[in-house]
Amino acid sequence: QVQLVQSGAEVKKPGASVKLSCKASGFTFTTYALHWVRQAPGQRLEWMGWINAGNGNTKYSQTFQDRVTITRDTSATTAYMELSSLRYEDTAVYYCARELTGTLDNWGQGTLVTVSS
Amino acid sequence: QSALTQPASVSGSPGQSITISCTGTSSDVGNYNRVSWFQQHPGKVPKVLIYGDSKRPSGVSNRFSGSKSGNTASLTISGLQAEDEADYYCCSYAGNSVYVFGTGTKVAVL
Repeated sequence: QVQLVQSGAEVKKPGASVKLSCKASGFTFTTYALHWVRQAPGQRLEWMGWINAGNGNTKYSQTFQDRVTITRDTSATTAYMELSSLRYEDTAVYYCARELTGTLDNWGQGTLVTVSS
Repeated sequence: QSALTQPASVSGSPGQSITISCTGTSSDVGNYNRVSWFQQHPGKVPKVLIYGDSKRPSGVSNRFSGSKSGNTASLTISGLQAEDEADYYCCSYAGNSVYVFGTGTKVAVL
């Protein structure tokens, strides 16, 4: 079955970077796009960007354009999301999700990133 | 890209029907047939209910239906049940490979 398994919780200091992983299984990795979505505590879902796992093309939200990098390793069927220059307000659960027919049909379990001094 | 606008909360009694609106612009909701709706229970992962404005994935109850008129999409939940109490988010393609989520709506079953 389709599975997206994300890396564990992280605690980072302001100004640091964090790199999260999303291990895919149960489908042909290179024929899909993978998106990253975050949710701050008690807040709405926020789209961050996506990667075409086949050709590696990416697109980012203007909100995160200068700080986010999404990559993938096809041999490991894993997508990564790196967010730099972390701020307290980046404390959130970060999700990866697979795109199918224009929607996000399968989601990872989420990774909590806490930014704290 | 601004978030799509949803009401903060909607409530209804068991068995009733409720509708949640999602208002965007002619650059997103009104320009593409690519609005999705997600349900999220507290502490849980979002689940897709509707895609392509009005299509329902297999396994999703037919009590959930989607529609769109102009720049506003809507999710209707009929035969409201206690388990429908959750947060609901719309999401639209906004062109240039960009997506945008709505502000979210908390549904309460009275």
